Amino acid sequence: DQQVKQNSPSLSVQEGRISILNCDYTNSMFDYFLWYKKYPAEGPTFLISISSIKDKNEDGRFTVFLNKSAKHLSLHIVPSQPGDSAVYFCAASALYNQGGKLIFGQGTELSVKP
Amino acid sequence: DADVTQTPRNRITKTGKRIMLECSQTKGHDRMYWYRQDPGLGLRLIYYSFDVKDINKGEISDGYSVSRQAQAKFSLSLESAIPNQTALYFCATSDFTGGVYEQYFGPGTRLTVT
Repeated sequence: DQQVKQNSPSLSVQEGRISILNCDYTNSMFDYFLWYKKYPAEGPTFLISISSIKDKNEDGRFTVFLNKSAKHLSLHIVPSQPGDSAVYFCAASALYNQGGKLIFGQGTELSVKP
Repeated sequence: DADVTQTPRNRITKTGKRIMLECSQTKGHDRMYWYRQDPGLGLRLIYYSFDVKDINKGEISDGYSVSRQAQAKFSLSLESAIPNQTALYFCATSDFTGGVYEQYFGPGTRLTVT
């Protein structure tokens, strides 16, 4: 039972264009969402997060959008750079009844071509 | 120096062998986690510990055990390794900062069971 799903295993984008990574979830108890970025031979690193009381959070080139009614979130990267090439994981948490455990999606491998 | 370290970084072992993966952290966090990453499955939680005396099973704990020797150390053991435990293993820590249990990951241990 995959509670957090990233249905696109890979995405290829031209440098300078927008990258949009998508994530769907099924558990309506999730109230906090995070995106992690992972380079080969390294552990995942935190990128950006959003609380369920918001529908948008922006940090530089990265923006996360949350659509609670659709149980869908997306990460926008504008403009995309070759250094953004990595695997991106979305994660969800039910802070107040799961103590902050994270449930991860399968990951999407982003390739930004020069 | 890295805040979360894992040893070994790579290990090849034979079916039936006992193996221990170690994790140390200097972040001073109470919470520690063990995940495994498999292609197409993302990161799945094996065990987690909210403090030295509190150990909990995650979604895929069968075949694994853990030991929380101190606040800074959390070890994962495979009592009798089997080939389908071949995976990338990550340790993570977290603290409750700003209402968020953001997790910080180690660099990973690549385990191969032959």
